[in-house]
Amino acid sequence: GAVVSQHPSWVICKSGTSVKIECRSLDFQATTMFWYRQFPKQSLMLMATSNEGSKATYEQGVEKDKFLINHASLTLSTLTVTSAHPEDSSFYICSARLYNEQFFGPGTRLTVL
Amino acid sequence: QKEVEQDPGPLSVPEGAIVSLNCTYSNSAFQYFMWYRQYSRKGPELLMYTYSSGNKEDGRFTAQVDKSSKYISLFIRDSQPSDSATYLCALLIQGAQKLVFGQGTRLTINP
Repeated sequence: GAVVSQHPSWVICKSGTSVKIECRSLDFQATTMFWYRQFPKQSLMLMATSNEGSKATYEQGVEKDKFLINHASLTLSTLTVTSAHPEDSSFYICSARLYNEQFFGPGTRLTVL
Repeated sequence: QKEVEQDPGPLSVPEGAIVSLNCTYSNSAFQYFMWYRQYSRKGPELLMYTYSSGNKEDGRFTAQVDKSSKYISLFIRDSQPSDSATYLCALLIQGAQKLVFGQGTRLTINP
């Protein structure tokens, strides 16, 4: 299957700092990428949908000024958590669509101290 | 009523057993059906993708879709301890952007 990578796989930061997470589709071009958040033992929660070259569409309740998404190319999307706080600690997973199949990255565990 | 219903389990079976995982859905507009496996602290891995009623087999895995009953299944034959994970069904409407997920079923295969 198609491969999606994420970097970093884990990050620890101080409260108030910003953290950038990269998501790349390695062997295909993805017109649409997705960012999810997952709490322990819970299902995936969609945060936003991004299409290459256009602004991301955020789900209700997700602060777009806090979670900045840039879909700069057909193979790269970034999520920046700005002014991170401990409640932002979570597992963030990106995903990329290839036709009607969707492939997920390995996830990034963010811990905000 | 949720769009997609999936029994969260947990489901525990002995090694070698046949496992049956199921989802039901209410919207007949769903056209594409996926099963994902997610290990703890990892991203979901696409196991099976189907778009028509009937069976699709890949190794020990068989995905079954019954559009008339709005029911999809994933069967795992000769289950192994390494199959222990959470299994998510995910459905997609033609032309839609967002996948709709089931709750996920936590599966444990006991040696």
